[in-house]
Amino acid sequence: QSALTQPRSVSGSPGQSVTISCTGTRSNIGLYNYVSWYQQYPGKAPKVMIYDVSKRPSGVPDRFSGSKSGNTASLTISGLQAEDEANYYCCSYAGSSTNWLFGGGTKLTVL
Amino acid sequence: EVQLVESGGGLVQPGRSLRLSCAASGFNFDDYGMNWVRQVPGKGLEWVSGIDWNSGSIKYADSVKGRFTISRDNAKSSLYLQMNSLRADDTALYYCAKGFSAALRDHFDYWGQGTLVTVSS
Repeated sequence: QSALTQPRSVSGSPGQSVTISCTGTRSNIGLYNYVSWYQQYPGKAPKVMIYDVSKRPSGVPDRFSGSKSGNTASLTISGLQAEDEANYYCCSYAGSSTNWLFGGGTKLTVL
Repeated sequence: EVQLVESGGGLVQPGRSLRLSCAASGFNFDDYGMNWVRQVPGKGLEWVSGIDWNSGSIKYADSVKGRFTISRDNAKSSLYLQMNSLRADDTALYYCAKGFSAALRDHFDYWGQGTLVTVSS
């Protein structure tokens, strides 16, 4: 069982918005603003889409946004496109003894 | 262009050792923290270990503490993971991941393609 909890799957139609949640505790997501989100296609390496809760790396479309409330972080993808179909993983810093925790991953299906 | 190329994976018997390497290029290696992250095929990601820019801070996941050792050679722009007392549940694709800064608190901004470690008799 992963330390961070994500829904196993979400889906949406092209053009719609979807939100993927990531629930932790007050020892990780609730305490630190070091939440990141990674997109992974099958057989490929992960790619960072959001870091520090809501910052977007250069080159990532602004359709991707991140937020946090309490112990839960969220990734929202607006204007869904077929190419967004992938697995998404959240990650949170959890202090100097535990360091990094990942969520179990969410498979996004674009209908 | 940032490149991270892992090597050293393979089939190994339980209880034996293996050493993974990650050759980095395209950035000033000694300015950044580095990490190992693993993924059981078809499953999720698990952070394994991290080392800051000058090896002053080294961290491990509880699942590998005491068995794995991370190290780096800044002169060779290389990261290593010495894995001892391997177990079946260490079977995974091991990724080398670059940190966003010199410390270990920042996200992973570049990843290699991974090297597969299979622990089986």
